[in-house]
Amino acid sequence: AQSVAQPEDQVNVAEGNPLTVKCTYSVSGNPYLFWYVQYPNRGLQFLLKYITGDNLVKGSYGFEAEFNKSQTSFHLKKPSALVSDSALYFCAVIAPGGYQKVTFGTGTKLQVIP
Amino acid sequence: EADIYQTPRYLVIGTGKKITLECSQTMGHDKMYWYQQDPGMELHLIHYSYGVNSTEKGDLSSESTVSRIRTEHFPLTLESARPSHTSQYLCASSDSESSYNEQFFGPGTRLTVL
Repeated sequence: AQSVAQPEDQVNVAEGNPLTVKCTYSVSGNPYLFWYVQYPNRGLQFLLKYITGDNLVKGSYGFEAEFNKSQTSFHLKKPSALVSDSALYFCAVIAPGGYQKVTFGTGTKLQVIP
Repeated sequence: EADIYQTPRYLVIGTGKKITLECSQTMGHDKMYWYQQDPGMELHLIHYSYGVNSTEKGDLSSESTVSRIRTEHFPLTLESARPSHTSQYLCASSDSESSYNEQFFGPGTRLTVL
């Protein structure tokens, strides 16, 4: 069975400071990992994904994520947070092969304080 | 412009009514999904489809039904709405060309059953 954990329900960060939103996963084989963002009253938007190759993945709006196989983590990062980054962030995983089921984490609310 | 649409965006109805939530995508994607999202943010997969005339139940038991008669259209129907159905419903689609394509989400339908 595959699973995703987002250990923090909420992350608060001051504008201009670096931010990290944590994600760990459990899956058999090499995972496909994703980050999505959800703004109020909207659907989810794709930010970035890791399939293979370089462990540091760059995505939309200046976000990046680092895949760490030994720690089974895929933390989302941004060097300098903006107030407009305040939103819900979801990590997701697909196990290779089979039915390609997507499992989403429970979400982390990011609050950037001016 | 290729996109995914959901109507209505907001719906307030009385108990016992039959309702259909519409979802259409113009991206030519084979795979489509319905998620129910709790006020506490977590996403639950309730239905998915891999193509025309293909529908499957997801992880969360749901009293809703879906149909996939056309590639672009994936409506969700509740025969008799109850207050427990009050939630946000998100429709999504993805390309089936590879097993690790990201999902594209509609803006959601917020349903309130009185």
